[in-house]
Amino acid sequence: DTAVSQTPKYLVTQMGNDKSIKCEQNLGHDTMYWYKQDSKKFLKIMFSYNNKELIINETVPNRFSPKSPDKAHLNLHINSLELGDSAVYFCASSRLADNEQFFGPGTRLTVL
Amino acid sequence: DQQVKQNSPSLSVQEGRISILNCDYTNSMFDYFLWYKKYPAEGPTFLISISSIKDKNEDGRFTVFLNKSAKHLSLHIVPSQPGDSAVYFCAASLSNFGNEKLTFGTGTRLTIIP
Repeated sequence: DTAVSQTPKYLVTQMGNDKSIKCEQNLGHDTMYWYKQDSKKFLKIMFSYNNKELIINETVPNRFSPKSPDKAHLNLHINSLELGDSAVYFCASSRLADNEQFFGPGTRLTVL
Repeated sequence: DQQVKQNSPSLSVQEGRISILNCDYTNSMFDYFLWYKKYPAEGPTFLISISSIKDKNEDGRFTVFLNKSAKHLSLHIVPSQPGDSAVYFCAASLSNFGNEKLTFGTGTRLTIIP
């Protein structure tokens, strides 16, 4: 049983396009996160949501818009994709009671 | 400004010996520390954590040591096994409650030599 799943696993697209990455967790967790791992392998927080409410927004360009339709889902929509958006994006989730975060398998985004 | 640093990008250890991975941090407000393991094309997997009120936490072959005065933590794996070959990330947060972001180091690639 997959705990945190992301689709798609790979995404190749042209500059200027708009794309979405979906994330779902079946762990019953209250908090979900998006992280970006850049070419230097540095994993950095982008957003977190708690029960559909935005908690953390780490000065990410407003081309990135997270959407949480319910507490089990946190999708990431990216407008006007740029070359620098190429990275691996990881979704994660955790309970409120502790900060052990469970990560999805990642989505490798390549912008040409 | 990188608040969590793993200064060794790679480490090779003979199977059966001890692997020691190091991590340094600069933010004295960090209160909770975690180690994650990552295989290629997979997401990071939680290994072990430690609260700032402790200096050691052990779970099977994995032990994490925390030296708050030096702002340093280390992960010991003993004995090392081939399946331990992976990238290990150190992470820190301001508390051990959910909602807190994790600040990650850049990782250390551990290779266990059979």
